[in-house]
Amino acid sequence: GQQVMQIPQYQHVQEGEDFTTYCNSSTTLSNIQWYKQRPGGHPVFLIQLVKSGEVKKQKRLTFQFGEAKKNSSLHITATQTTDVGTYFCAGLYNNNDMRFGAGTRLTVKP
Amino acid sequence: NAGVTQTPKFQVLKTGQSMTLQCAQDMNHEYMSWYRQDPGMGLRLIHYSVGAGITDQGEVPNGYNVSRSTTEDFPLRLLSAAPSQTSVYFCASSYSFWTGTNYGYTFGSGTRLTVV
Repeated sequence: GQQVMQIPQYQHVQEGEDFTTYCNSSTTLSNIQWYKQRPGGHPVFLIQLVKSGEVKKQKRLTFQFGEAKKNSSLHITATQTTDVGTYFCAGLYNNNDMRFGAGTRLTVKP
Repeated sequence: NAGVTQTPKFQVLKTGQSMTLQCAQDMNHEYMSWYRQDPGMGLRLIHYSVGAGITDQGEVPNGYNVSRSTTEDFPLRLLSAAPSQTSVYFCASSYSFWTGTNYGYTFGSGTRLTVV
């Protein structure tokens, strides 16, 4: 079935280190969204990627969509304690089915 | 604007009990949906609605009922709670399904449900 695999499940970094989470699908996606969920909170929309090879930046966050539109990544440069939370990708398939990845939980040690 | 409001925030049920999780939005969003979040499984779609009077099943609909009599409200009903329904439930909305897929969904603060 349609499924978005997200890795790693957990990532613990020292403040100032970089962080990357990856999402992969076996079939082509129409687009992919990224959300952030703070501990005890709810998912908050970050960004959407649509085009093959698209790269978008939000301050220290860089989002990429693969050339084949089957994978995506979120990279955070020089993490801060405010980056703590779980990052989810959500892929939209051609049949209008949207599937969330399992999420990557990021913890940052000051 | 309050956004998406979910009640209650916490609930403990006994197996076999029924209850309704409430979701209301004041943004005039046509599209509303219910997700459950379980550790290691991300968010899974239970039911959704593209407008008042229209509902449809998502990925994991069994054990849940929904109705949409008004644009603002989209309650989720558990008719006979089971321990497997222990989860965190989120309601999400957008102007339309396509708006949501392009500009993201607005989530409520969630209901943490425990079934014992």
